[in-house]
Amino acid sequence: QQPVQSPQAVILREGEDAVINCSSSKALYSVHWYRQKHGEAPVFLMILLKGGEQKGHEKISASFNEKKQQSSLYLTASQLSYSGTYFCGTSGAGGTSYGKLTFGQGTILTVHP
Amino acid sequence: GAGVSQSPRYKVAKRGQDVALRCDPISGHVSLFWYQQALGQGPEFLTYFQNEAQLDKSGLPSDRFFAERPEGSVSTLKIQRTQQEDSAVYLCASTPRTGLTDTQYFGPGTRLTVL
Repeated sequence: QQPVQSPQAVILREGEDAVINCSSSKALYSVHWYRQKHGEAPVFLMILLKGGEQKGHEKISASFNEKKQQSSLYLTASQLSYSGTYFCGTSGAGGTSYGKLTFGQGTILTVHP
Repeated sequence: GAGVSQSPRYKVAKRGQDVALRCDPISGHVSLFWYQQALGQGPEFLTYFQNEAQLDKSGLPSDRFFAERPEGSVSTLKIQRTQQEDSAVYLCASTPRTGLTDTQYFGPGTRLTVL
C-alpha cells in the first residue's frame, strides 16, 4: 500500500525550515528519501531503518518513528538548490528481501530567494 | 564513475506500435529495478532482476509489458501494442547487491508519449 506524504506542496523563502512527513498503514522496515528535479533522475538522500534512527546529510536530516510507522524529513536553512519533489520509498517488515520500494506521491518543495 | 543511463530519453509512439526502452545499470550492479512514473506521481514498481533472473514481475500492468536482462547487465523493457495509458516516464534503478538497505541509483528515465 502506498505511503502518504504531507504536505503535498510547500513554498519557502531561502533560509526557512520545512518538514515533510511520510506515513504508512503497515509495519515498515526501511524508509528511503529521494529528491527529484524536473526531468531528472531521483537522487538518493538517506535511508532510515526500523528502530527510530535519525540520520543527517548536510542540513537535511530525517527520523523514523516505528510506533507511528512514520518518517519525517527535516530541511533546515533551506537553499535554492533544495527545490524539487521529495519522495519517500518504503519497504515493509516481512516483505521481499531485495529492497522493493513503494513510493509516496511526492511533496513539491519550492524555495524562493 | 558513470551512473545509470537510459535510452532513448524521449519516445513518441503511435497507439499500437511496439517500443523498446534500454537501461544500462552501473557496472557490476547485481540488482536492477524498473519503475513507471505517471505525471505528478511517485515511481511505481514494475519488475526486478537479480543478475539475469527476473525474480519479480508483479508490477507489470499487462502481458503487453515484457522485460529482459539476458547477460545480467543491460536490460530492455518492451511494450507491445502501446496504449495511451502507457504514457509515462519509465525509470530504471540499480543497486550493487540485493539487500533491503541498498541505495537504488536511478537513471534519468525515458519519457514515453503514446499518441
